[in-house]
Amino acid sequence: DVKVTQSSRYLVKRTGEKVFLECVQDMDHENMFWYRQDPGLGLRLIYFSYDVKMKEKGDIPEGYSVSREKKERFSLILESASTNQTSMYLCASSLYGGRAQPQHFGDGTRLSIL
Amino acid sequence: AQRVTQPEKLLSVFKGAPVELKCNYSYSGSPELFWYVQYSRQRLQLLLRHISRESIKGFTADLNKGETSFHLKKPFAQEEDSAMYYCALKTGGYQKVTFGTGTKLQVIP
Repeated sequence: DVKVTQSSRYLVKRTGEKVFLECVQDMDHENMFWYRQDPGLGLRLIYFSYDVKMKEKGDIPEGYSVSREKKERFSLILESASTNQTSMYLCASSLYGGRAQPQHFGDGTRLSIL
Repeated sequence: AQRVTQPEKLLSVFKGAPVELKCNYSYSGSPELFWYVQYSRQRLQLLLRHISRESIKGFTADLNKGETSFHLKKPFAQEEDSAMYYCALKTGGYQKVTFGTGTKLQVIP
């Protein structure tokens, strides 16, 4: 069974801090994704990566960056945290190619910026 | 641009009643559609995909290209079906997936 592990379930940071959210998957998936989940807005894609050192902007990349140095690990970075980045962050992974490959999600990190 | 619309934020039904969660998409090519479910305090997980054409936990969904819809149906709702449901669209060989805003299903005992 695919395991996607996010390093923290809850995180509290202060405005202006640099914040790192880590995600690791154990199924050798090529694709990894970062979403934020907000009530009434669903899941919105921040960034995704289809290979090591490759990244693509999603729908809401402003204020975020990502790093993928190893295939199994995908990090989301909040360069200077702001209160409007308080949210639930979900990491996902999937196989590249093939028809209708599903995404596998982590438990999420609930981030509060004070 | 591709888009997924789930018009209902909340759907309340009585136990044993039929359920239909609506999903419409906008995409001119050949879509790949999914339903994901998130039960309380659990991770988001795949419920079913249109290519499988299978019933999962009594739920089915048929892709209607003419109406650009992929509605999720179950003939008799159970209390354990209460959850948040998301419709998702993947297009062609592109790896990005677009999610709808979700519908919360509440099954009343």
